Amino acid sequence: GENVEQHPSTLSVQEGDSAVIKCTYSDSASNYFPWYKQELGKRPQLIIDIRSNVGEKKDQRIAVTLNKTAKHFSLHITETQPEDSAVYFCAASIRKVLTGGGNKLTFGTGTQLKVEL
Amino acid sequence: DADVTQTPRNRITKTGKRIMLECSQTKGHDRMYWYRQDPGLGLRLIYYSFDVKDINKGEISDGYSVSRQAQAKFSLSLESAIPNQTALYFCATSDFQTSGGTYNEQFFGPGTRLTVL
Repeated sequence: GENVEQHPSTLSVQEGDSAVIKCTYSDSASNYFPWYKQELGKRPQLIIDIRSNVGEKKDQRIAVTLNKTAKHFSLHITETQPEDSAVYFCAASIRKVLTGGGNKLTFGTGTQLKVEL
Repeated sequence: DADVTQTPRNRITKTGKRIMLECSQTKGHDRMYWYRQDPGLGLRLIYYSFDVKDINKGEISDGYSVSRQAQAKFSLSLESAIPNQTALYFCATSDFQTSGGTYNEQFFGPGTRLTVL
């Protein structure tokens, strides 16, 4: 099955700096890569996702890049703010149209991001 | 407001007891999932269901069973709880658009913190 590795496990940055979290996946058939943010004591929530037909996607201060050849993808947060402090999870999934397995996510182990004032 | 709810939110039990965690959703989604979250291990899939008649094992199903009573309800049971099942358990739901095979976001419940003594 799919295996997703995520690094680093903890990341501390100064407010205003950029943060980068990296993930690798093992199954070349994976084609959907979401990122979830989990604030302390809260449920995970989707913040951005990318499909394998594009190499980069941006949404305001966050962006995700995908390198299918190397089987890795990254989350980039620019101009970090204290409210960005949370655990971030990457995930991978294989699209199977109309059959079982679609949308079954394999998650990375998470990155605890701390934005310091 | 359409949402995903879980009961109980917290539970302390003893080794050998049978425990049921319940999940309900008002989003009208067909797909439901159970995950457990452990520090340093991320979110791991226990079971998933793509419709009422479809139940599938995830990566860590041993010691767990599920029941999909209706489209809106998906229960997780621990037949004989053991201490290493102490964890935070999340239910999630997603929709699936067959047109284009588009993936949709997974929406998580608030979680159930289970402690097995």
